[in-house]
Amino acid sequence: EVQLVESGGGLVQPGGSLRLSCAASGFTFGSYGMNWVRQAPGKGLDWVSYISTSGTIYYADSVKGRFTISRDIAQSSLYLQMNSLRDEDTAVYFCARARTDPDGGVYLHSWGQGTLVTVSS
Amino acid sequence: EIVLTQSPGTLSLSPGERATLSCRASQRISNSHLAWYQQKPGQAPRLLIYYASSRATGIPDRFSGSGSGTDFTLTISRLDPEDFAVYYCQQYGSSPPYTFGQGTKLEIK
Repeated sequence: EVQLVESGGGLVQPGGSLRLSCAASGFTFGSYGMNWVRQAPGKGLDWVSYISTSGTIYYADSVKGRFTISRDIAQSSLYLQMNSLRDEDTAVYFCARARTDPDGGVYLHSWGQGTLVTVSS
Repeated sequence: EIVLTQSPGTLSLSPGERATLSCRASQRISNSHLAWYQQKPGQAPRLLIYYASSRATGIPDRFSGSGSGTDFTLTISRLDPEDFAVYYCQQYGSSPPYTFGQGTKLEIK
């Protein structure tokens, strides 16, 4: 069974930093791309970042230059280093495993339960 | 960036009725790279449909997806009480950025 467990959320002041982790199990971690998606309180879903199986990385414009996605294949773990945090980064952050459809499109197949990040003074 | 607009914002129906949810894209979505997710309060989203019309593993056949180009639909043929939730569409491709619609809340009438 695929399991994704996020951790590392908490309260941080504007301008501060936080590192999120996602522990994966139940599948061969290095064989799948991984994403971070966030959801502000009472709002919709907002894609944040993606790391492909080959290590190619993408970011949403809203976090580019401030957030860094990484992974440790040996530890089956995904990370999100968040620097220069802003009030608008307050959200539940989900990690999500990617899968590929018949035409090579990458969709979000399995999701963790999320970890809450609150940016406030 | 492709913008997805979902309608209606809220849909009020009774168990046993048919639900039709719409997702319209600001530009053509290639190769039917459109997914639908269900989210219940306090829970993570759950994949229902990918590739516009392919049901994810374990999803009941009362859920179906259709459409192409810029107009996509999620249909729930006969609502079960557990189906009342928020539904999101998402466009994806071989590489990001990925975008989501704003969601449709399906509530019990």
